[in-house]
Amino acid sequence: NAGVTQTPKFQVLKTGQSMTLQCAQDMNHNSMYWYRQDPGMGLRLIYYSASEGTTDKGEVPNGYNVSRLNKREFSLRLESAAPSQTSVYFCASSEEMTGIYGYTFGSGTRLTVV
Amino acid sequence: AQTVTQSQPEMSVQEAETVTLSCTYDTSENNYYLFWYKQPPSRQMILVIRQEAYKQQNATENRFSVNFQKAAKSFSLKISDSQLGDTAMYFCAHLNNNDMRFGAGTRLTVKP
Repeated sequence: NAGVTQTPKFQVLKTGQSMTLQCAQDMNHNSMYWYRQDPGMGLRLIYYSASEGTTDKGEVPNGYNVSRLNKREFSLRLESAAPSQTSVYFCASSEEMTGIYGYTFGSGTRLTVV
Repeated sequence: AQTVTQSQPEMSVQEAETVTLSCTYDTSENNYYLFWYKQPPSRQMILVIRQEAYKQQNATENRFSVNFQKAAKSFSLKISDSQLGDTAMYFCAHLNNNDMRFGAGTRLTVKP
């Protein structure tokens, strides 16, 4: 009953470094999402994958890339990290492609870019 | 795109009392879904309750209920018999066409 698993839980990067945040779900969900959470701004959608093999931009995609590796895994890559990308990142999944029953979230990755 | 507004950054309530968290949203769509999520200090986002816009009946889940006013675009969360474990950030969210937008959140503290 792991649900949505994100790794790592914490990360510190230097400006310009790259890294990939990993996300995996074991619920056989079709859709997966990446959000970032900043103080006073709630959660904002970076990218989503409605189904295996598809990805689409969300509200704040600049500076990020994603890969839907298979049905279980959806990774988020920062090619050249910037201090503005300091945030808490959440991966989520939903059974229905429309997400109408709500999302299941991972426990988040706190990323600091110095 | 739809926007979600939570006008109360922080609230507090005494244990066993009732508290209502406010949420308004802006959308041009007629069919959509609304949610309340809880985020305790553990950071995990937990779904509390959902409402389908085409249903007039307000959703209820145990001590949690909503007051959905479609014409006013209002979706408040009522927590009855507040418990210490209800202390958390609460986020209102609006979903339409696979696009879920969140409010900025309300930090609720339940005092013993």
